[in-house]
Amino acid sequence: EDQVTQSPEALRLQEGESSSLNCSYTVSGLRGLFWYRQDPGKGPEFLFTLYSAGEEKEKERLKATLTKKESFLHITAPKPEDSATYLCAVRAAGNKLTFGGGTRVLVKP
Amino acid sequence: GAGVSQSPSNKVTEKGKDVELRCDPISGHTALYWYRQSLGQGLEFLIYFQGNSAPDKSGLPSDRFSAERTGGSVSTLTIQRTQQEDSAVYLCASSLEANTGELFFGEGSRLTVL
Repeated sequence: EDQVTQSPEALRLQEGESSSLNCSYTVSGLRGLFWYRQDPGKGPEFLFTLYSAGEEKEKERLKATLTKKESFLHITAPKPEDSATYLCAVRAAGNKLTFGGGTRVLVKP
Repeated sequence: GAGVSQSPSNKVTEKGKDVELRCDPISGHTALYWYRQSLGQGLEFLIYFQGNSAPDKSGLPSDRFSAERTGGSVSTLTIQRTQQEDSAVYLCASSLEANTGELFFGEGSRLTVL
């Protein structure tokens, strides 16, 4: 069974304090790893797709990286508007995405 | 708007009643997914549709849960004889094709079973 574990569960940062979120996964035949952002009361919003180890994607202050066992979401010089829950998901056989429990990020001014 | 639309946004029901949750996907999206999110938890897969058929309904928790999709568009998730443990936010998502992980989510239907 596919498993996705995210850590930490919660992260409190000062504005400008860079940090990383971890997503470790156990899956047979990875066909994609995905990062989403979820704001309170909203549905998740797609951020990145990563397919192979060594791949990196960037968007504004966010950078996602992938190894054979885990993915990192790096937040560089975060701003209060980066406060959200960040979700990681994997796709293996079939077309469903298996999500991790998420990391709640709070960036204080 | 052009996004995924879900209704109702909030539903409070009594234990034992049946509920129907509706999802209107983005026009032209062939794949449609239902997920459930309990308070402070990640997303739990329920079922996905490719067109009107459901190749994977492995996540439905019990036979009280069913879903259908008609005309390759609107989907309805039905929960019969609701239980308190069914309380959660039910999220619908659609994607252009089934083999992409770029899902577009609605804002969810919050179900509270008293």
